[in-house]
Amino acid sequence: AQSVTQPDIHITVSEGASLELRCNYSYGATPYLFWYVQSPGQGLQLLLKYFSGDTLVQGIKGFEAEFKRSQSSFNLRKPSVHWSDAAEYFCAVFMEYGNKLVFGAGTILRVKS
Amino acid sequence: EPEVTQTPSHQVTQMGQEVILRCVPISNHLYFYWYRQILGQKVEFLVSFYNNEISEKSEIFDDQFSVERPDGSNFTLKIRSTKLEDSAMYFCASSEGTGIKQPQHFGDGTRLSIL
Repeated sequence: AQSVTQPDIHITVSEGASLELRCNYSYGATPYLFWYVQSPGQGLQLLLKYFSGDTLVQGIKGFEAEFKRSQSSFNLRKPSVHWSDAAEYFCAVFMEYGNKLVFGAGTILRVKS
Repeated sequence: EPEVTQTPSHQVTQMGQEVILRCVPISNHLYFYWYRQILGQKVEFLVSFYNNEISEKSEIFDDQFSVERPDGSNFTLKIRSTKLEDSAMYFCASSEGTGIKQPQHFGDGTRLSIL
């Protein structure tokens, strides 16, 4: 069955430090992958998406993600974290059958000053 | 930038009561969705809707749930007789079309608390 795993429930990084949030997927066909961010009290905002082609995709707010088929991973990265990046981050795979998103459990990012 | 709006932001309801959650999708979007997130759990797909009918629904979306597009702008989720386990954050989403190149845009959610 299609699934998305985010192994880290919580991550704490210092402001200015680099960040990597892990995402692994299980999907039979070519995966279409997304990262969403949810700030406290707000909805899900699309950070970036991967369809095909270049395996390194750029998103908003300085985020990027790299698709690695051999590792079934789509990790999110940012070179220098800002306090405003504190939020919950969700990785998702798009299922064409049903036109729906299957989400991971999310990773809560805390940023310490 | 156009956005999906949901009302109310928080709804408190007695168990057994009916509740209607409202959403205004982005105006030129044709596909509509509801997802929910029980506290501490994953965001889960409930239902998708197109051309005034349900396209796909999950096993969560049982007979207690219904969706409707009562006019040209609103998209509603009704829970007929709420249970404690219906307490969750409910997200509405919309997309211009289907397929990977038509990403789903989400609202801020309605937090439903069943007492």
